[in-house]
Amino acid sequence: DTEVTQTPKHLVMGMTNKKSLKCEQHMGHRAMYWYKQKAKKPPELMFVYSYEKLSINESVPSRFSPECPNSSLLNLHLHALQPEDSALYLCASSGRQGVGETQYFGPGTRLLVL
Amino acid sequence: KNEVEQSPQNLTAQEGEFITINCSYSVGISALHWLQQHPGGGIVSLFMLSSGKKKHGRLIATINIQEKHSSLHITASHPRDSAVYICAANAGGTSYGKLTFGQGTILTVHP
Repeated sequence: DTEVTQTPKHLVMGMTNKKSLKCEQHMGHRAMYWYKQKAKKPPELMFVYSYEKLSINESVPSRFSPECPNSSLLNLHLHALQPEDSALYLCASSGRQGVGETQYFGPGTRLLVL
Repeated sequence: KNEVEQSPQNLTAQEGEFITINCSYSVGISALHWLQQHPGGGIVSLFMLSSGKKKHGRLIATINIQEKHSSLHITASHPRDSAVYICAANAGGTSYGKLTFGQGTILTVHP
């Protein structure tokens, strides 16, 4: 199984809502990533978890809160988002965090904040 | 100036043509990745290179570490190759494993 799954595929939320994005992989990977991608732009790294511990936080606003409850699951909790947070949110995983590791991407969650 | 530059930004080809996408980087890297993103979002990793050349089917990727340059070639292009191709560099240091992305090349192959 070389698949990274993400749910939901699409999400529309208001600025006062709380929602969560979910990412799952069963490849035994120990590094997991959240990226944000705006239209016609490359992905921007948000967070990296390595062995279920937060390794990199790219100065992301606190309205985005990541969580890695176990080695297969990665969540992104959303609260009080702004319309400019509307984007495609991609999850990825790799065997470990390191140079030369292939990252396997999920299909993404397309988020619209109204 | 972006640390990873791709050219061209847009590329249109007729089916069957040989295609080259270029990637130059200014940082010291340990690995260079080529990714493919189809409309709808999903990203697929095509190659990871640290030296030389790799081939998979009709796709060939090369890297010249001294010149800090990589190329992705597609032979006998097909409309299903239409996608955004992104190169991304792996640097070491404090952001170990972080990818620095190029801006992407939008490829359209017409039948």
